[in-house]
Amino acid sequence: GIQVEQSPPDLILQEGANSTLRCNFSDSVNNLQWFHQNPWGQLINLFYIPSGTKQNGRLSATTVATERYSLLYISSSQTTDSGVYFCAINTNAGKSTFGDGTTLTVKP
Amino acid sequence: NAGVTQTPKFQVLKTGQSMTLQCAQDMNHEYMSWYRQDPGMGLRLIHYSVGAGITDQGEVPNGYNVSRSTTEDFPLRLLSAAPSQTSVYFCASRDLRGATNEQFFGPGTRLTVL
Repeated sequence: GIQVEQSPPDLILQEGANSTLRCNFSDSVNNLQWFHQNPWGQLINLFYIPSGTKQNGRLSATTVATERYSLLYISSSQTTDSGVYFCAINTNAGKSTFGDGTTLTVKP
Repeated sequence: NAGVTQTPKFQVLKTGQSMTLQCAQDMNHEYMSWYRQDPGMGLRLIHYSVGAGITDQGEVPNGYNVSRSTTEDFPLRLLSAAPSQTSVYFCASRDLRGATNEQFFGPGTRLTVL
């Protein structure tokens, strides 16, 4: 099956700093999502981004499908950005594969 | 829309007991799935369904049963709970016919097996 690798596994930032999270995948995809799991365990949809670039406030994401990676950018980080960020590949057949996530800690 | 709902939020079982985790969605999505998340790990697919009457196994199906009698509901059954099934369980749904195929998650059920 498809492999999904995320880096870095852990990231500690000071409030106000910027960061880039990476998601590599082993096969061409047409369905990629980024999620944020907050400290209460809730999974929040950030982006559906099979290709191209999208922005939502301080967050943006870029997927280069031909090179099999996606990047999530967080600018001017806030303590509420803390949590785990997952990328997931959804196949048309229905199965989804998640990466192991990047744990982000933003310190005040 | 309530989206994806799960009950119960928390559950404690003894080894060997059985129970059913409930999942429902009101978005008329064909695809529904169950994941488990162990501490410090990502989500692993247990079972999924692409429509009423159709189910299939995911990555970690052993010890779990599912059925899909309606589009809205997708219960997960533990027939004989084991401590290794202590985990957080998430249900999700997707619109396979939609433009985005975006997946939405329920709030999760935290299960402890003693």
